[in-house]
Amino acid sequence: DAGVTQSPTHLIKTRGQQVTLRCSPKSGHDTVSWYQQALGQGPQFIFQYYEEEERQRGNFPDRFSGHQFPNYSSELNVNALLLGDSALYLCASSLGGQGFGQPQHFGDGTRLSIL
Amino acid sequence: GENVEQHPSTLSVQEGDSAVIKCTYSDSASNYFPWYKQELGKRPQLIIDIRSNVGEKKDQRIAVTLNKTAKHFSLHITETQPEDSAVYFCAACLYNFNKFYFGSGTKLNVKP
Repeated sequence: DAGVTQSPTHLIKTRGQQVTLRCSPKSGHDTVSWYQQALGQGPQFIFQYYEEEERQRGNFPDRFSGHQFPNYSSELNVNALLLGDSALYLCASSLGGQGFGQPQHFGDGTRLSIL
Repeated sequence: GENVEQHPSTLSVQEGDSAVIKCTYSDSASNYFPWYKQELGKRPQLIIDIRSNVGEKKDQRIAVTLNKTAKHFSLHITETQPEDSAVYFCAACLYNFNKFYFGSGTKLNVKP
């Protein structure tokens, strides 16, 4: 049973460029959440996708956007990269639906470095 | 929005001792509280969770307690082992939104 997979594992970009990160959820999961984890900090919620729509969003600017495909995989896009965007980007998948929170399972992340 | 505070930021214990990590949250609507363990360079892994209709949950050497009135919850690890060394994160999930807010982490070092 495949867990959450993310690609690429590492990425180096320069300021002003754009980047796309990819995530495949754990088998049976239909909801994907994206997090930014700066060094020495806890993950910060970026947004969540369910049924191909952005369902929840954290305090991140519009430069951060995403997409979910019919097979539940997801992309995170960041435009006009800033030095402060350097971080580990984590994808987590879970089962959708309302009510109590559902356990989230994380991928290994993409380490993004901005020069 | 929700704010989760976690203490201590670092914790060093002798092998076999107990370790306690505490978190507080601000939004009384939060109803699900997971704990994650993250080893260096690896993904966060869910180790235990608790929902707001339960006051305590235990899984072998790990237990979590929740005080809804005081809005705090704690992770207890007994008989610590060197392999317990890692960074531990608490999180609070806002009711009906499946939106997680994480604490800043506790680096646990278990000395042999």
